Amino acid sequence: QSALTQPHSVSGSPGQSVTISCTGTNNDIGDNNYVSWYQQHPGEAPKLMIYDVTKRPSGVPDRFSGSKSGNTASLTISGLQAEDEADYYCCSYVGSFTWVFGGGTKLTVL
Amino acid sequence: EVLLVESGGALVQPGRSLRLSCTASGFTFGDYAMTWVRQAPGKGLEWVGFTRSKAFGATTEYAASVRGRFIISRDASKNIAYLQMNSLKIEDTAVYYCTSYRVTTWTSFELWGPGTMVTVSS
Repeated sequence: QSALTQPHSVSGSPGQSVTISCTGTNNDIGDNNYVSWYQQHPGEAPKLMIYDVTKRPSGVPDRFSGSKSGNTASLTISGLQAEDEADYYCCSYVGSFTWVFGGGTKLTVL
Repeated sequence: EVLLVESGGALVQPGRSLRLSCTASGFTFGDYAMTWVRQAPGKGLEWVGFTRSKAFGATTEYAASVRGRFIISRDASKNIAYLQMNSLKIEDTAVYYCTSYRVTTWTSFELWGPGTMVTVSS
């Protein structure tokens, strides 16, 4: 199972919106609605930001939203804040209780 | 408070074995599926393996990179899950995280421990 494809880096200014894409195949993203997104600050464990494509866990700001079209999922962060600067990883269920992560995207807040 | 804490990371020689533990507190760990995820230094996240809840027989699945070498098990009485790592390779060097869920679903990794470092080197 190959890793999902994410852009290596994205950037935006405070207050702007950014979208991070995550491209898979018909066997993962395109096959179910179990895409999740994780935020990781340096030296810390990842944090769940979005699950089941569009759902937000309690405590995650509504500035974070998820979507999917075909084999590509997206994470959009609106009203960028300095603390959003981090690495972001997408993850998709592949079936038979297996998962695959994306390679990660470094978000820089300018 | 709901917590997961990994332990057992160490420096180990190639070919040797190591067992990691994941201790849960604040909830009945065995009632939930759990997953091991690793992250090599400076690299991205990699899914390692999964075990279902005890209600579903705690069956397991593994990534191709570790299948046949790693084994996930659980001790429900102690609220602990284990990752037995055999025939370790240099490329197994990583921070190992245990994950689970409580409020979301088994399809996502809601709870994370702080991780434990495994270094495989001669």
